[in-house]
Amino acid sequence: DAGVIQSPRHEVTEMGQEVTLRCKPISGHDYLFWYRQTMMRGLELLIYFNNNVPIDDSGMPEDRFSAKMPNASFSTLKIQPSEPRDSAVYFCASSETAHGYTFGSGTRLTVV
Amino acid sequence: KNEVEQSPQNLTAQEGEFITINCSYSVGISALHWLQQHPGGGIVSLFMLSSGKKKHGRLIATINIQEKHSSLHITASHPRDSAVYICAVRSTGNQFYFGTGTSLTVIP
Repeated sequence: DAGVIQSPRHEVTEMGQEVTLRCKPISGHDYLFWYRQTMMRGLELLIYFNNNVPIDDSGMPEDRFSAKMPNASFSTLKIQPSEPRDSAVYFCASSETAHGYTFGSGTRLTVV
Repeated sequence: KNEVEQSPQNLTAQEGEFITINCSYSVGISALHWLQQHPGGGIVSLFMLSSGKKKHGRLIATINIQEKHSSLHITASHPRDSAVYICAVRSTGNQFYFGTGTSLTVIP
């Protein structure tokens, strides 16, 4: 298995633009997590899905952020409109119910 | 107050030393995770614990549910162990909380 695959690895965008981050979890994993990591706040859970259904989105900072999981093999995190304070590394992770996480390599987002 | 507290925040050790990183939490949990993040940024899940002790190579993780405390031990530390170690818990209410991490540097 190729592991959790995230794209793009790096994204630089201008303030106000829409940004879409993508994640392909490990086949057979029933949980998918989106995290954000910054120097100031460390690692934060944004949202997680179980069997493609959003379970807890209380970590999503505001309405500009949205996440979808249309099927078991794909999820997106969208920011519209983006702001400089959204600059961070965004990680996707997946897991089976009784096991630990597998993280993707992350997407480094810079909003200028 | 953070639901998960780690100590120390920073740790420097000589190669070969025995290292302990501590994690205390204030919520009821269903699982506790130890994560490792290397300077390159990738995150690896080291252990998931709900009770007792787990061992993988030179790494040992223990948890005391009554005391709400977990430790990560590294025996015979090596410079390649240099990383940030993060403690994360999943509460019984399915909330996730993270420690701020312990930055470990092992000097040859």
